[in-house]
Amino acid sequence: DIVMTQTPLSSPVTLGQPASISCRSSQSLVHSDGNTYLSWLQQRPGQPPRLLIYKISNRFSGVPDRFSGSGAGTDFTLKISRVEAEDVGVYYCTQATQFPITFGQGTRLEIK
Amino acid sequence: QVQLVESGGGVVQPGRSLRLSCAASGFTFSSYAMHWVRQAPGKGLEWVAVISDDGGSKYYADSVKGRFTISRDNSKNTLYLQMNSLRAEDTAVYYCAKDFRGAMDYWGQGALVTVSS
Repeated sequence: DIVMTQTPLSSPVTLGQPASISCRSSQSLVHSDGNTYLSWLQQRPGQPPRLLIYKISNRFSGVPDRFSGSGAGTDFTLKISRVEAEDVGVYYCTQATQFPITFGQGTRLEIK
Repeated sequence: QVQLVESGGGVVQPGRSLRLSCAASGFTFSSYAMHWVRQAPGKGLEWVAVISDDGGSKYYADSVKGRFTISRDNSKNTLYLQMNSLRAEDTAVYYCAKDFRGAMDYWGQGALVTVSS
């Protein structure tokens, strides 16, 4: 199974400041079809997860442009350019390149 | 708008069975693969199973293989998860999610399954 490792596990951030979450996979996420099926999810308290980014860097419909994704191969990053209060929650990276689909442990974003 | 509504959760004794349903609306259900993902209390996300758009392909997590069965009825726009031989460690909120280009773009609110004697 592909292991997804996120750092940090907790990230206290000041409102208006940037935040960054790293995700590393135990093997390359490049699929034989050439795509890299790495996505990012946000889970606000008491809510189901919400898709933010798919295929490394594609923002999903309705996601604010302060969220961006980057990376390649085994190393990926989610960046929030200016954190807002509504961004509080847990962020997960996930890979669907190979079954079983796996998730990172989650990174808790909180406001300082 | 896309809606996914899970039902069928509840409290069940170890070793018993339960079937979850996920009613879909707002999109062409028969055109998309669908997933089940679970989240134990206070824990992270765990993928459970996926089924292709026509139901012809299914994949499972090792933790549920042989005990859980994913299925769908495209005429009813409904996804199912049959859970047999339930264990305490299956206690979780179970979400259904729509597949989108290798990601899960829409999620239901979840159904809580508690396995306890």
